[in-house]
Amino acid sequence: GAGVSQSPSNKVTEKGKDVELRCDPISGHTALYWYRQRLGQGLEFLIYFQGNSAPDKSGLPSDRFSAERTGESVSTLTIQRTQQEDSAVYLCASSSAPNSYNEQFFGPGTRLTVL
Amino acid sequence: ILNVEQSPQSLHVQEGDSTNFTCSFPSSNFYALHWYRWETAKSPEALFVMTLNGDEKKKGRISATLNTKEGYSYLYIKGSQPEDSATYLCAFNAGGTSYGKLTFGQGTILTVHP
Repeated sequence: GAGVSQSPSNKVTEKGKDVELRCDPISGHTALYWYRQRLGQGLEFLIYFQGNSAPDKSGLPSDRFSAERTGESVSTLTIQRTQQEDSAVYLCASSSAPNSYNEQFFGPGTRLTVL
Repeated sequence: ILNVEQSPQSLHVQEGDSTNFTCSFPSSNFYALHWYRWETAKSPEALFVMTLNGDEKKKGRISATLNTKEGYSYLYIKGSQPEDSATYLCAFNAGGTSYGKLTFGQGTILTVHP
């Protein structure tokens, strides 16, 4: 079956512009996660959606970052007034819950470059 | 803040060598420890989910062990091949109210030279 997909695969933007990144999880997966990896750093948790529960936003680095999810499908991560430090690979993952200890299936990522 | 450390940061081996690397994590509030392989230009791929102290899992030439009491896991690759070249990530899951979060280490970059 189809895996997690993300778009765009690459995004170059100018400092101060807003960007939207999209994630399509695996059909039927109720949990969806956003992570990012900045150069030289590990994967950093951003936000987690589980069904109809309030999302866990504890990893969002600033109020310029927000994310939405439509039901149990598509999610968009929005970064407003982008800064150079936002440059990173943004990864989305999904999992079925309850499942095998929260095994997460990742998309290919969006590489964001802020000039 | 949970501290998940991986060592070494990078590793170069020759084809046919066996190798291993380490993930250390908090020994309290353990729920699960995950290993992922992330090849360039691909999605991270799950290798193992480890949940019980003393767990040992194997997938082909790759195996992993788990010690939750002392907070470490080893990943072993026997007879490395060039296609094993990737970043190997471990991720700690504390469960409970943190159920949804994986805290990742920085990864070990493995390069296998033919």
